[in-house]
Amino acid sequence: QKEVEQNSGPLSVPEGAIASLNCTYSDRVSQSFFWYRQYSGKSPELIMSIYSNGDKEDGRFTAQLNKASQYVSLLIRDSQPSDSATYLCAVNWGTSYDKVIFGPGTSLSVIP
Amino acid sequence: DTGVSQDPRHKITKRGQNVTFRCDPISEHNRLYWYRQTLGQGPEFLTYFQNEAQLEKSRLLSDRFSAERPKGSFSTLEIQRTEQGDSAMYLCASSLVKGITDTQYFGPGTRLTVL
Repeated sequence: QKEVEQNSGPLSVPEGAIASLNCTYSDRVSQSFFWYRQYSGKSPELIMSIYSNGDKEDGRFTAQLNKASQYVSLLIRDSQPSDSATYLCAVNWGTSYDKVIFGPGTSLSVIP
Repeated sequence: DTGVSQDPRHKITKRGQNVTFRCDPISEHNRLYWYRQTLGQGPEFLTYFQNEAQLEKSRLLSDRFSAERPKGSFSTLEIQRTEQGDSAMYLCASSLVKGITDTQYFGPGTRLTVL
């Protein structure tokens, strides 16, 4: 069974701290990895995509990928209350780059 | 606004009725996905299209669900004989597949309530 797992949370961090969100996946052939943010009652919005091992930075966000460990993470620096949302990890499944599978999401709360 | 639109945004129906949702993807995107999401869960894959071809349908999807994408443009998702368990947010996403990239952009969703 191919799966994407995330800590359900909720994860609470104080404003200005670093929030660390983790995701593991079960299929070694997965090639594409995505982080989405979803505010309550809204649809997911793309934050970052990552395809290669290592770090990818975009503003306050850093995605980290380790394919050997089947692990992808998202770091949010200088967390703001507006970052409070559910963060979804998504993995593109299979060698033919078929459908994307989403994890259950991690709820983040940034405390002012 | 990602450029993906869905209609209607909300639908309330009685059990046993049929409902149809529409999704208009970003115009140059060749792939279109349908997901279902319930409270506290991630989006659950239902089906997807590459242009007009339906490539996969989730085994979780009963025969009451059908989707089409005529001419590879907009798509419709129909649910026949709705049940209370069908109450959920139905999300559409589109992407332009290039090599290994399949970055999806979501529409605002259609929230279905079955009474």
